[in-house]
Amino acid sequence: GNSVTQMEGPVTLSEEAFLTINCTYTATGYPSLFWYVQYPGEGLQLLLKATKADDKGSNKGFEATYRKETTSFHLEKGSVQVSDSAVYFCALRNEGGATNKLIFGTGTLLAVQP
Amino acid sequence: DAGVTQSPTHLIKTRGQHVTLRCSPISGHKSVSWYQQVLGQGPQFIFQYYEKEERGRGNFPDRFSARQFPNYSSELNVNALLLGDSALYLCASSLSGYPGQGIEQYFGPGTRLTVT
Repeated sequence: GNSVTQMEGPVTLSEEAFLTINCTYTATGYPSLFWYVQYPGEGLQLLLKATKADDKGSNKGFEATYRKETTSFHLEKGSVQVSDSAVYFCALRNEGGATNKLIFGTGTLLAVQP
Repeated sequence: DAGVTQSPTHLIKTRGQHVTLRCSPISGHKSVSWYQQVLGQGPQFIFQYYEKEERGRGNFPDRFSARQFPNYSSELNVNALLLGDSALYLCASSLSGYPGQGIEQYFGPGTRLTVT
């Protein structure tokens, strides 16, 4: 079946450090891949997406590249800020399915210290 | 434009009771999906409704039911509440009910349900 595996958290970084959060997936068909962010006490916000192999999604300095050969979609940011502290979820959607349901990983808590 | 709205924000119920959660999608969106997010885990898909019909259902017991109204708002009902139903319930809306390249889902802030 379809599933998403994320690196365990929490990830604690100093401001301006480089961020990588690993995400790998298992899917049948041709999934689209997403990163969502959840700030404390809030719902999910779409951070970026990629819909086919080798696509790069980017937003607010975050990037992730859809790697079909390694079934990965790692999230990166060159210089994190305190305001980036949140929980990050990797997700996939099987575009050949009957619904638009998202399958999420367990989430990775990022804490950025000044 | 208003985003996805959910009510109530917080709710405390006792085991065995029934609860109804409500969601209003973004104007013009015809699809609503419900997710359950247990503390420390990722959201799990419960239902999707599109044009007032159920499009999909996740691996949840029959105690969970939902419906969508002509104005595309939706209700999630949970009967015979268990302690394990304590979670953040998220609603998401999208323009289309069909998967498609890049169709986005927009999430509401959620309803925090606590079952004691």
